[in-house]
Formats: sequence, structure tokens, C-alpha cells
Amino acid sequence: SYVLTQPPSVSVAPGQTARITCGGNNIRSKSVHWYQQRPGQAPVLVVFDDSDRPSGIPERFSGSNSGSTATLTINRVEVGDEADYYCQVWDSSSDRIFGGGTKLTVL
Amino acid sequence: QLQLQESGPGLVKPSETLSLTCTVSGGSISSGTYGWIRQPPGKGLEWIGTLYYGGSPAYNPSLKSRVTISVDTSKNHLSLKMSSVTAADTAVYFCASAMTTVSPFDPWGQGSLVTVSS
Repeated sequence: SYVLTQPPSVSVAPGQTARITCGGNNIRSKSVHWYQQRPGQAPVLVVFDDSDRPSGIPERFSGSNSGSTATLTINRVEVGDEADYYCQVWDSSSDRIFGGGTKLTVL
Repeated sequence: QLQLQESGPGLVKPSETLSLTCTVSGGSISSGTYGWIRQPPGKGLEWIGTLYYGGSPAYNPSLKSRVTISVDTSKNHLSLKMSSVTAADTAVYFCASAMTTVSPFDPWGQGSLVTVSS
């Protein structure tokens, strides 16, 4: 089955840039989606199809996908961005798969 | 806009069947794709299964033998049944919608905590 690997945690100071990676075999051939989950809340889609943003998501959130790694980039990080972030893909043999999640800490 | 709301018992005994309902408002459940995802306390998201409009459901292989996802179009409900539950099935259960097979889940319901305990 297909596996997505994320770092457990990423820390960044306010105003800096956070990069959260999602690794998978030939992941560039797949559409990667990213969710933000604040404590006690349901996940919210922040990037879909590698690099598109749903309406209402700030331009500070962007995504890329190449090689064996997809990346969620958050520019000018704010305290309110502190949350867990999950990548997700669809795979023909495993259907929907989530990465293990990355806890973003804003120092 | 589409809204989803999970409901069901918050406490289930070990070996019994967990049953949850997802009520869809703002749109018809007769079209589109719907799924269930769960999150054990302090852990990550786990996909349970997806019901595709006009197609067969797909299930997580690790749960397939115990899970059934169905739809009641008359009530605009999506249902989840999981049999022979154990403490490891304690989790927040989310329902969510997707446009197509490969689309992301969006939106999600707020989630329903189910505790398995005697």
C-alpha cells in the first residue's frame, strides 16, 4: 500500500516561512491535498491539487509537488497558523491515504 | 453550501456494533462522493471508507471486514456501521464530501466522539 511520510513537527518564528514536507513514492504523479486541523476542530482544506487554494484561504499558503516530495509552504507565519497539517492523496490501490501529520509550532 | 453533521451514540460496548449517521444539508446526497475518516485521541487521521455515487464503496483494507457504509437518499443520510468494536476503535469520527474520486474531502462534519468501553 502507498505510504505518505511527514515530519512529526516543524517549528518557526512568527513572520518566518514554514515548510512542511510530504514524501511518497513518485508522489509527483499524484494530486496532493493539504489540510489544517486546529485543536478540537475538524480538518480544513488549505491546498488542493498540489498548489491550488480554496476560496477564503490566505495567499500565504502555497503548495508544490516534485520528485518524491510535496511541500506545503506558509509564508509570514502567524500565531493562528499553529495547528496540525496533513497531506493526502488518492492511490489506485489504496484509495485515500493521509500522511501521519505534522504539528506546526509557532515559537 | 454543503454542510455535514455526524450523530450517534457516544459510548459503545466492546464487541458491539458502532453506528453513526451523517446528515447532509444544502445539497443532495444522491450525487457526489462521501467518506468517513476517524482520528483516535492524540493521533492522526485514518481513512475508513468512501461511497461513490452510482458505484461501489471502497474501504480501508485494515477495516474492510468490519465496516459498512451506506446511504439513505430519502433522509439525505450517510451511515457508518462498524462491527466487533474494541477500545482501539475509540476515536472522533468525521464524515466528509468530495467532488470526485481523486478530489479532496471538503467540507467535513464537525466530528463525533465514540468511546468503546464497558
